[in-house]
Amino acid sequence: DTGVSQNPRHKITKRGQNVTFRCDPISEHNRLYWYRQTLGQGPEFLTYFQNEAQLEKSRLLSDRFSAERPKGSFSTLEIQRTEQGDSAMYLCASSLSGGTGLYEQYFGPGTRLTVT
Amino acid sequence: GDSVTQMEGPVTLSEEAFLTINCTYTATGYPSLFWYVQYPGEGLQLLLKATKADDKGSNKGFEATYRKETTSFHLEKGSVQVSDSAVYFCALISDSWGKLQFGAGTQVVVTP
Repeated sequence: DTGVSQNPRHKITKRGQNVTFRCDPISEHNRLYWYRQTLGQGPEFLTYFQNEAQLEKSRLLSDRFSAERPKGSFSTLEIQRTEQGDSAMYLCASSLSGGTGLYEQYFGPGTRLTVT
Repeated sequence: GDSVTQMEGPVTLSEEAFLTINCTYTATGYPSLFWYVQYPGEGLQLLLKATKADDKGSNKGFEATYRKETTSFHLEKGSVQVSDSAVYFCALISDSWGKLQFGAGTQVVVTP
């Protein structure tokens, strides 16, 4: 178990460009979450997958954002036509699910996006 | 909608001092409550949790009690160490999908 990994760790892009981030969850985890964290704030929920199905999207996720989780394994988050307001840390978390218990979410180190 | 409010930082303490970080929440129903910690240069880690009223979560000398009557989940530690310097986030889950709702975070700085 190597934990949740995210790539790249840092991304600098020019306004208007497209960027894609990858998250590799803990292998047996079927739930995967994306959050966004801006400076001085707590993480905000963006979207959630149960296996390969995207079950919920925040209103923060505009139509420029798209996320996928093919085959229920890794996930990608793409931002099209980036804007300066997209600059943030993008966090991925994964967890188990099942039964009536709440399972701990394990967070990756994040991808820091800077839009210039 | 649901929300979490926690005290602003930074909180600066001397080693061995008592730490309290206040957290209050607004939620429909009966949420589960969490404290996460982010050490410098590291990812978010779960510190402790409580899933129902009057539950006490504890870990690494930290404690927090789920108080439904005051909608609070204050974090306490009796004697902090320099290694406790970090940003602490209070959070809740109120849906079945496990979506976390975080407070803004409180930076704690412990000096020798």
